[in-house]
Amino acid sequence: GAVVSQHPSWVICKSGTSVKIECRSLDFQATTMFWYRQFPKQSLMLMATSNEGSKATYEQGVEKDKFLINHASLTLSTLTVTSAHPEDSSFYICSAGLAGVRGNEQFFGPGTRLTVL
Amino acid sequence: LAKTTQPISMDSYEGQEVNITCSHNNIATNDYITWYQQFPSQGPRFIIQGYKTKVTNEVASLFIPADRKSSTLSLPRVSLSDTAVYYCLVGDYYGGSQGNLIFGKGTKLSVKP
Repeated sequence: GAVVSQHPSWVICKSGTSVKIECRSLDFQATTMFWYRQFPKQSLMLMATSNEGSKATYEQGVEKDKFLINHASLTLSTLTVTSAHPEDSSFYICSAGLAGVRGNEQFFGPGTRLTVL
Repeated sequence: LAKTTQPISMDSYEGQEVNITCSHNNIATNDYITWYQQFPSQGPRFIIQGYKTKVTNEVASLFIPADRKSSTLSLPRVSLSDTAVYYCLVGDYYGGSQGNLIFGKGTKLSVKP
């Protein structure tokens, strides 16, 4: 149980285009979803936190107009990288939170590799 | 959220026990200690979590001293497939009061034949 999927698993796009990444909780309803970015040989960096039906909360230094997050349902959150540039090339990972007895447990997706040419 | 410090890398051989220690001097009373494993180009995978003393599951053991300022992840008899980056995180419940997790630099474990 508690499986999180991401689509696509990898994407290559031209500079200036927009890319949408989906994150789905397959067998549970996620109270909160999180988006992380990971550059090569670096740790995960939290980008934003989103709750279903409300605006996402972005971490300092993350441009909300560039990284659009839509959390339309309890099982789906999308991250759109607008006007992507080569420096946006990274590994994007989402996680879904499930409220439990001891607070929110997070389950991570497999990640999406974005390469901007 | 409490900051964590881990060794950047560790080497081991197949069949050995590996212990990775994490320092978290500013751990708060409500904080739990959680370890994740990450393989290249994959999302992190939960390994184990504890609050104090010792916790053991089918994969690993977690040792936490009384002052809780450090913790040690113990992997018994590692295999080549245990080569990965291991992250130690502290926070209340499973991450933080808002459920988000702050990842440190992690420890890259390399298991050799």
